[in-house]
Amino acid sequence: GAGVSQSPRYKVAKRGQDVALRCDPISGHVSLFWYQQALGQGPEFLTYFQNEAQLDKSGLPSDRFFAERPEGSVSTLKIQRTQQEDSAVYLCASSLAWGGDTQYFGPGTRLTVL
Amino acid sequence: AQTVTQSQPEMSVQEAETVTLSCTYDTSESDYYLFWYKQPPSRQMILVIRQEAYKQQNATENRFSVNFQKAAKSFSLKISDSQLGDAAMYFCAYRSAYGGSQGNLIFGKGTKLSVKP
Repeated sequence: GAGVSQSPRYKVAKRGQDVALRCDPISGHVSLFWYQQALGQGPEFLTYFQNEAQLDKSGLPSDRFFAERPEGSVSTLKIQRTQQEDSAVYLCASSLAWGGDTQYFGPGTRLTVL
Repeated sequence: AQTVTQSQPEMSVQEAETVTLSCTYDTSESDYYLFWYKQPPSRQMILVIRQEAYKQQNATENRFSVNFQKAAKSFSLKISDSQLGDAAMYFCAYRSAYGGSQGNLIFGKGTKLSVKP
């Protein structure tokens, strides 16, 4: 595709519900990152994939957060038993390789937990 | 751990004028990359400019240029001939160049730039 796409763009969940956020990286991009952006803050790193391998999940805030990229392309970030503090914009970024490659961001998914 | 600080929560500039956004960072590494990203209200983060730490020459990209002072750990962004479309949140970001890191970006808190017609 022309750029990184994410769906849904907006998600409202009741506290305790499970949600799944999808990221479609640029075709051929090896590296994929998930970031969480709270209101008025800069994005913070959640997890990193190189192809299908999740090489770093140190930024995931709790074991309710789970990410996968089974075929090395599309990735899904799943949040179980959502809490109000999970409300944020979730950004996905991809880059061609590791190195110093530029990361290209998707439009994000705004999650609101009521 | 590396940190990025943007000390100006908000800035304002008159259309066609020049504005400089500040960024400082803290790191013990000698090789890294620095970026400025723009995030308009639609939320899509767009790369404005990047700088490799090993390069002494300051990066430029059309109306955007940086003043990279490695010893001072400073990385400011200058926007010349400001346009209404430049209004956005601007984030400074750091990325390690070392093989042991995963290459994730470390962001500052951002500077909201307003452009007055």
